[in-house]
Amino acid sequence: DSGVTQTPKHLITATGQRVTLRCSPRSGDLSVYWYQQSLDQGLQFLIQYYNGEERAKGNILERFSAQQFPDLHSELNLSSLELGDSALYFCASSVEIVGELFFGEGSRLTVL
Amino acid sequence: AQKITQTQPGMFVQEKEAVTLDCTYDTSDQSYGLFWYKQPSSGEMIFLIYQGSYDEQNATEGRYSLNFQKARKSANLVISASQLGDSAMYFCAMASNAGGTSYGKLTFGQGTILTVHP
Repeated sequence: DSGVTQTPKHLITATGQRVTLRCSPRSGDLSVYWYQQSLDQGLQFLIQYYNGEERAKGNILERFSAQQFPDLHSELNLSSLELGDSALYFCASSVEIVGELFFGEGSRLTVL
Repeated sequence: AQKITQTQPGMFVQEKEAVTLDCTYDTSDQSYGLFWYKQPSSGEMIFLIYQGSYDEQNATEGRYSLNFQKARKSANLVISASQLGDSAMYFCAMASNAGGTSYGKLTFGQGTILTVHP
């Protein structure tokens, strides 16, 4: 158990819909990261937040947005969903030092 | 831009034998970190080992060691005494330490599926 909690674990929805994925980082970790894992794109970094502020941005679509709240949990919002958005979405957290990221178990999104 | 290349889509190894998973990287940064993660069929990402670009000694963590050859830009993972539970997808990843920020923005390779035979 990495200590990073993601909900929901599985989500099935239709094209055009909007979903919210939630992440609670490890206790004490200030940084939260979102990654997308799909068959065609592999694992890709989406966005990073540190103590409530956006820190780095990767290949995140404009239809996607994220935020980190004062209690440090984070949400990833995916809107106008397309079939290609079907993927495993990981949240990870870390302290601001060199070292490993701790990943959650992922939220598997299926868009039908 | 950073790039990670894992040229072995799949590898097979006999239980109790050692196996090397290849990883080469490309970056123009001087300070960076290299990581290996394991992803079992259940889907979670498990951190295995880390190597900093300025570390002079190869990293080791239990049965895992990282064969770091900076001049060749390679960071191969060696698993000794393979176990059936080692069967999984293995990802090599890197991140730059440019600007002294954290290593959170990882670039991943495509992964290698390791199958351990009894």
